[in-house]
Amino acid sequence: NSKVIQTPRYLVKGQGQKAKMRCIPEKGHPVVFWYQQNKNNEFKFLINFQNQEVLQQIDMTEKRFSAECPSNSPCSLEIQSSEAGDSALYLCASSLWVDSDYTFGSGTRLLVI
Amino acid sequence: EQQVQQSPASLVLQEAENAELQCSFSIFTNQVQWFYQRPGGRLVSLLYNPSGTKQSGRLTSTTVIKERRSSLHISSSQITDSGTYLCAMRNSNNRIFFGDGTQLVVKP
Repeated sequence: NSKVIQTPRYLVKGQGQKAKMRCIPEKGHPVVFWYQQNKNNEFKFLINFQNQEVLQQIDMTEKRFSAECPSNSPCSLEIQSSEAGDSALYLCASSLWVDSDYTFGSGTRLLVI
Repeated sequence: EQQVQQSPASLVLQEAENAELQCSFSIFTNQVQWFYQRPGGRLVSLLYNPSGTKQSGRLTSTTVIKERRSSLHISSSQITDSGTYLCAMRNSNNRIFFGDGTQLVVKP
């Protein structure tokens, strides 16, 4: 069983709707990553956090995507206005800061119709 | 530029044969991890191997930092080993880069 918990497992939204997914990182892990894996199995980095602070995010994330990792609450990734091209598997991972491995959740599979 | 190159792209084996998967990196890194991705998408960590040789069951990974490469050896392959094997590295900016994966098929 994964130590990183992602919910929901599946998410179906209409175009223009908001889509929100959550991630509970492994206990004690201050670093959280979000990745998008498309139908070609390509991984795209979206954003990462250390504790509640954003470390890096790509342009796509800055425009329609929002993410946060509040203290004592699950991390979340939200797409403000879903597009068909957002259909993908969204993976969350967590780790200690450096010199350590990272653990992935089972992912949220988003379908935008 | 592709940060992580994996080879072969696909591999077909007979059960009990050994498999050798290769990974090379565009930069020097000591943050190398091998994953197995299940058909549903979940990534399962196989080995975290920053350097040298690490073994877990039938899996052995060797990472040579100065040559910017890592390998994963699967001994006595089983049908249930079939799937996608991914190599990943993390850079100094704490971003993870994945290779395109090796699709392994083990036949009876």
